[in-house]
Amino acid sequence: DTGVSQDPRHKITKRGQNVTFRCDPISEHNRLYWYRQTLGQGPEFLTYFQNEAQLEKSRLLSDRFSAERPKGSFSTLEIQRTEQGDSAMYLCASSPKVFGPEAFFGQGTRLTVV
Amino acid sequence: GIQVEQSPPDLILQEGANSTLRCNFSDSVNNLQWFHQNPWGQLINLFYIPSGTKQNGRLSATTVATERYSLLYISSSQTTDSGVYFCAVGETSGSRLTFGEGTQLTVNP
Repeated sequence: DTGVSQDPRHKITKRGQNVTFRCDPISEHNRLYWYRQTLGQGPEFLTYFQNEAQLEKSRLLSDRFSAERPKGSFSTLEIQRTEQGDSAMYLCASSPKVFGPEAFFGQGTRLTVV
Repeated sequence: GIQVEQSPPDLILQEGANSTLRCNFSDSVNNLQWFHQNPWGQLINLFYIPSGTKQNGRLSATTVATERYSLLYISSSQTTDSGVYFCAVGETSGSRLTFGEGTQLTVNP
């Protein structure tokens, strides 16, 4: 399978716990994006990387959120001290070009904070 | 930032009917994509169409960049076409995608 891969697919956690999600982009795609989608809404941009550099972060990305792409390949998104409002689908995408890229999305990680 | 509006928000069709979904955007774009979100939440690429017209089977899309809108046509709809259709645009100055709120399509047998 050469698509974008995300793990885990589902995560249930208790409020206050930390969670980490992983995204493996399409091979050789140098741009990687994280989005969040809540019920009934379109996905909202969180952050993106070009290779290992994090180039932009949305205001949605509070101090409790951190993302890394240490070797320019896979990426992790960590949420510390989870809150019920963090419950959402977290989507990862990758694209091969700098401008005018076509983005391809993974299957997402559905987070439920109880 | 750029605004994206999709219409209609909901659409109910009988199998075999045709439909047109619209996406309006408020600024110049260098990327426009249409997606179908399946029941499991994955976004399936339909078209990458910052301008012009493309066709893929029963689906086609047209983007008129100068007038800041795009249309997605679905012909001879099938029940498997049901789901949410999203339009997403990338601004000229950046690479993030801004999504509309989607059109929820229901195709009844």
